Amino acid sequence: NAGVMQNPRHLVRRRGQEARLRCSPMKGHSHVYWYRQLPEEGLKFMVYLQKENIIDESGMPKERFSAEFPKEGPSILRIQQVVRGDSAAYFCASSPRSRGQSSLSTDTQYFGPGTRLTVL
Amino acid sequence: GESVGLHLPTLSVQEGDNSIINCAYSNSASDYFIWYKQESGKGPQFIIDIRSNMDKRQGQRVTVLLNKTVKHLSLQIAATQPGDSAVYFCAENDDYNTDKLIFGTGTRLQVFP
Repeated sequence: NAGVMQNPRHLVRRRGQEARLRCSPMKGHSHVYWYRQLPEEGLKFMVYLQKENIIDESGMPKERFSAEFPKEGPSILRIQQVVRGDSAAYFCASSPRSRGQSSLSTDTQYFGPGTRLTVL
Repeated sequence: GESVGLHLPTLSVQEGDNSIINCAYSNSASDYFIWYKQESGKGPQFIIDIRSNMDKRQGQRVTVLLNKTVKHLSLQIAATQPGDSAVYFCAENDDYNTDKLIFGTGTRLQVFP
């Protein structure tokens, strides 16, 4: 069973360009989470999606950032008009179901290898 | 406000010794805690988790202890090996409906031969 897959692993963009980060969850997982990590810091939650729905986007900047998880295909994190402050590692995690759906088990979030975005 | 923090940013241990990594949290409503290991250039790797109705849980060479009275979490690694060298993060879940994890800053574990 393949783990969470992310591509590209490294992405270089110039200021003002667009960045598209892709995440394929583990097989059987329908819940996807995006986190951002700056060097020497912990991960910061950005957005939580289920198939075709955004459940929680409280950690995502209101402008330039968007996320989707279509019925078919990977989840996409899109950053428009990138700035140098967007340089970071972006991690995707997936789980089979949310905690709210089961009182008997807590479904762990499993992380992908990340996409390292560098904005020149 | 909510926070998850670590007492020691760097921990150096000798191979074969036991390691203890600590974590403090401030949100008493948190009911699920996870330890992740992150090696350089890689994503966080799940190690062990614990729910608030437990105070101890053991895995292979690892034990997580939860003290809800003082809001403290620790990860114990027995017989530390060079392959254990990494940054360790504790994370908490305080929102039953959305599952978002709040991560601490991390502790770097260095294992010396």
